[in-house]
Amino acid sequence: KQEVTQIPAALSVPEGENLVLNCSFTDSAIYNLQWFRQDPGKGLTSLLLIQSSQREQTSGRLNASLDKSSGRSTLYIAASQPGDSATYLCAVHSNSGYALNFGKGTSLLVTP
Amino acid sequence: GAGVSQSPRYKVTKRGQDVALRCDPISGHVSLYWYRQALGQGPEFLTYFNYEAQQDKSGLPNDRFSAERPEGSISTLTIQRTEQRDSAMYRCASSRASGDSYEQYFGPGTRLTVT
Repeated sequence: KQEVTQIPAALSVPEGENLVLNCSFTDSAIYNLQWFRQDPGKGLTSLLLIQSSQREQTSGRLNASLDKSSGRSTLYIAASQPGDSATYLCAVHSNSGYALNFGKGTSLLVTP
Repeated sequence: GAGVSQSPRYKVTKRGQDVALRCDPISGHVSLYWYRQALGQGPEFLTYFNYEAQQDKSGLPNDRFSAERPEGSISTLTIQRTEQRDSAMYRCASSRASGDSYEQYFGPGTRLTVT
């Protein structure tokens, strides 16, 4: 069974810092990997989708990389802002099924 | 365009009652997924539909849980004889199709509390 781990579990940084969130997965046979943002009381917002054949995806201040062979992905957030405060979830779509397998998330707090 | 919608947003029910949770996917999306999320955890898969066909129900915890999507659009997740351990956020997602290229888009969820 695919296991997804996110490190750190929580992170607090001052505004303006660049930061990296880490995700690792145990089975490299994947279709794709998605990064989501979760705000309290709201749904999950898809940030980036990386196909298994890709190495990275960028959207604005966000950059996600994928190293499928080592089972790792990172989400890089540049010039962090207080509005970036949320929980960030990594989810892997394995070849063996239809479901996304999620990590427990990284809770990010960006202080002014 | 409209995203995935779920109703009700909040449901409080007494132990032993049945509940029905509704999901309306993005128009044109043929794939629909149900997940359950406990506090402090990531969502966990419950079941998957391709059009009206339930193709994977391996994540349903027991036979009190069932789901349907009779016309290939709106889906209902039903929990019979609810128990306190059923309390969680229930999330629905849809995608244009199954397969490697398609993002899953999530609704706001239904917060179920069983008292």
